[in-house]
Amino acid sequence: EDQVTQSPEALRLQEGESSSLNCSYTVSGLRGLFWYRQDPGKGPEFLFTLYSAGEEKEKERLKATLTKKESFLHITAPKPEDSATYLCAVGSSAGNMLTFGGGTRLMVKP
Amino acid sequence: DGGITQSPKYLFRKEGQNVTLSCEQNLNHDAMYWYRQDPGQGLRLIYYSQIVNDFQKGDIAEGYSVSREKKESFPLTVTSAQKNPTAFYLCASSTGTLTYSNQPQHFGDGTRLSIL
Repeated sequence: EDQVTQSPEALRLQEGESSSLNCSYTVSGLRGLFWYRQDPGKGPEFLFTLYSAGEEKEKERLKATLTKKESFLHITAPKPEDSATYLCAVGSSAGNMLTFGGGTRLMVKP
Repeated sequence: DGGITQSPKYLFRKEGQNVTLSCEQNLNHDAMYWYRQDPGQGLRLIYYSQIVNDFQKGDIAEGYSVSREKKESFPLTVTSAQKNPTAFYLCASSTGTLTYSNQPQHFGDGTRLSIL
């Protein structure tokens, strides 16, 4: 059974204080790892797909990296508008579904 | 603009009542999904469909029903058998060729269902 664990559950940062969110996974054959951003009362917004260990993707202040066991979402010099819940999901060779982690709620204070 | 439209945004259910949540997509995606999200929890899969006139149960299908008569539409009915329906419901879609697990799912903005 595929499993995804995100840590920490919540993270408070000061504006400009860089940090990383973790997504640990156990899958039978990784087909893709996906990062999403979810604002309160909204659906998740797709950010990145990573397919193989060593791959990196960047978008503005966000950078996602992937190893064989985990993915990190690095946030550089965050701003209050980066406050949201960040979700990680994996797709595997076990089936056609994605397995989602519980999310990390990020709060950036000015 | 291509996307997924869920309606209504807010819905209230009385005891013993069935309610239907709408989900429409114009992304030309073959696969569609329904998830339930409870506070502090991740997304749990209710039903999914990979082709018209076919759908499969997810992890928490009891008390729910779906139909897929058109590629663009995947409505979810919350029946009176679902005893704890208060949650945020999300519809998603994705594309794929041999598999859907290497493609991201794209989400609508959800329907919040509450009990009266």
